[in-house]
Amino acid sequence: GAVVSQHPSRVICKSGTSVKIECRSLDFQATTMFWYRQFPKQSLMLMATSNEGSKATYEQGVEKDKFLINHASLTLSTLTVTSAHPEDSSFYICSVDGGSYEQYFGPGTRLTVT
Amino acid sequence: AQSVTQLDSQVPVFEEAPVELRCNYSSSVSVYLFWYVQYPNQGLQLLLKYLSGSTLVESINGFEAEFNKSQTSFHLRKPSVHISDTAEYFCAVSDRDGANNLFFGTGTRLTVIP
Repeated sequence: GAVVSQHPSRVICKSGTSVKIECRSLDFQATTMFWYRQFPKQSLMLMATSNEGSKATYEQGVEKDKFLINHASLTLSTLTVTSAHPEDSSFYICSVDGGSYEQYFGPGTRLTVT
Repeated sequence: AQSVTQLDSQVPVFEEAPVELRCNYSSSVSVYLFWYVQYPNQGLQLLLKYLSGSTLVESINGFEAEFNKSQTSFHLRKPSVHISDTAEYFCAVSDRDGANNLFFGTGTRLTVIP
């Protein structure tokens, strides 16, 4: 399967600042990527579907102006959390659509907003 | 809408003993079913999936799961676990008619005791 990396693995930022998380598909051309968030002891929740060269599709309840997604190339999608607040602290995970109903996941990014 | 229930958040089991991780789902449409595994500090990896055909599916490392439509279940089993099976296991469903969106359960932490 595809190898997917995320950077950074952990980030701490102050309330009101913005933080960017990168998701890279190292050996697979990813037309479609997904962004999830996971709260402690809860399941992964799909935030948005990122399509290369077009606007992302956001799930209901996810603010697109707060969670900016850019998928400018077949190997990179970025998630920017704008004006972060403590309630945005979470584990953010990206995945690559590998076809045949299979996704390849990154290791996740732990965001802490103080 | 789909939902996935993993009733057991933690399952401790002795090495070489059998194990069953339970997964039940709810959906108004036909679904595909998946088990993903997450080893420490790694991204989720597909363990096995049911798309069609035989209701019993197997992984390369000895796990199996059986799709039971009447009970809306997709329990994961292994007859003899190893220390290396210690990980978090996630059950997921995907709508057959929709995009490749995955809906996850809350996960089950399997701990194999020497």
